[in-house]
Amino acid sequence: AQTVTQSQPEMSVQEAETVTLSCTYDTSESDYYLFWYKQPPSRQMILVIRQEAYKQQNATENRFSVNFQKAAKSFSLKISDSQLGDAAMYFCAYRNYGQNFVFGPGTRLSVLP
Amino acid sequence: GAVVSQHPSRVICKSGTSVKIECRSLDFQATTMFWYRQFPKQSLMLMATSNEGSKATYEQGVEKDKFLINHASLTLSTLTVTSAHPEDSSFYICSAGTPEAEAFFGQGTRLTVV
Repeated sequence: AQTVTQSQPEMSVQEAETVTLSCTYDTSESDYYLFWYKQPPSRQMILVIRQEAYKQQNATENRFSVNFQKAAKSFSLKISDSQLGDAAMYFCAYRNYGQNFVFGPGTRLSVLP
Repeated sequence: GAVVSQHPSRVICKSGTSVKIECRSLDFQATTMFWYRQFPKQSLMLMATSNEGSKATYEQGVEKDKFLINHASLTLSTLTVTSAHPEDSSFYICSAGTPEAEAFFGQGTRLTVV
């Protein structure tokens, strides 16, 4: 069974600085999808970024980018120019085609003014 | 992105009663929807996979007779918590999407059983 690990239960970053959240996963599949979701205090799950495993190029979405290392099974999220609104729980997630999502335990990010 | 609407957002019910939570995909057809439960400060725990027109697939340890799931149409799945008890109090979230894409989540339902 696939598993997702987030080794940082909590992280903090100064406003306007850069922070990297770690995620590793375990799978025997070669094709799959990886995601980062944000859950603010409202508890609405919001997609931050997605990555298809067959793509070598790292996904980027404005201030958010990933470092996808397929061989190492690592999928970290970098947030640049951190803003107060970035404060939230961040979940790393894995998905095989057509299957359910496997979520990591989450990292709580605080942004300090 | 696609919109998934979940209703109600909050519900308080008496112990022993049943509560129904609705999950609707507003602008796309969802053959599969997922139901999660989230405890405070924890991750999402998959309860069941809801398939349109067929029986739901429950995860190990989830009581199918307590958490009834119905997916009668391509845009609606319902979760009914039957004979609710205080330990069923939790945050319930549904999601829907296509097989290869990201999931779109409902707003969640905070259930409190008193």
